[in-house]
Amino acid sequence: EDQVTQSPEALRLQEGESSSLNCSYTVSGLRGLFWYRQDPGKGPEFLFTLYSAGEEKEKERLKATLTKKESFLHITAPKPEDSATYLCAVQAIYSGGGADGLTFGKGTHLIIQP
Amino acid sequence: DAGITQSPRHKVTETGTPVTLRCHQTENHRYMYWYRQDPGHGLRLIHYSYGVKDTDKGEVSDGYSVSRSKTEDFLLTLESATSSQTSVYFCAISERGPAVAGALNTGELFFGEGSRLTVL
Repeated sequence: EDQVTQSPEALRLQEGESSSLNCSYTVSGLRGLFWYRQDPGKGPEFLFTLYSAGEEKEKERLKATLTKKESFLHITAPKPEDSATYLCAVQAIYSGGGADGLTFGKGTHLIIQP
Repeated sequence: DAGITQSPRHKVTETGTPVTLRCHQTENHRYMYWYRQDPGHGLRLIHYSYGVKDTDKGEVSDGYSVSRSKTEDFLLTLESATSSQTSVYFCAISERGPAVAGALNTGELFFGEGSRLTVL
């Protein structure tokens, strides 16, 4: 069974204080790993797709990296507007759980204080 | 932003009553999904559709049915709501489809803003 564990569950940072969010996964053959951002009362918003170990993607203050067992979402010099819940999801090569086969983690709730 | 609207956005109902949630898209995407999101759980797939009148079950489909009579509309029905179905429901759409061998699927889903359902 595919599993995704995100840590920490919650993280509070000062504005400008860089940090990383972790997504550990267990999947029988990874097709892709995905990061989403979710603001309170909103639906998730797609950020990145990573396909293979060593791959990196960047967007503004966010950089996602991938190894064979985990992914990190690095946040550099965050601003209050980066506050959100960040969701990680994996997709197996042979997905038995539905159309997209995405297994989501529970998310990391990030708060950036001014 | 992807054109997805969900209705109603909020609903309170009683156990045993039928409930229908509607998802409407203006993107002409083929694939549509219904997820639920609960504290302590990740997003979980309820049902999905890969075309008009083509639907299938997801991970947590018991107690739910869906219909898709037009490309733009995907309905989720709780025939007899239970308290365990209290949740936030998200509709999502995607241009590319399932994780078919050899097919590139970015996993990029566009989500609606959610429908918060409370079953008393």
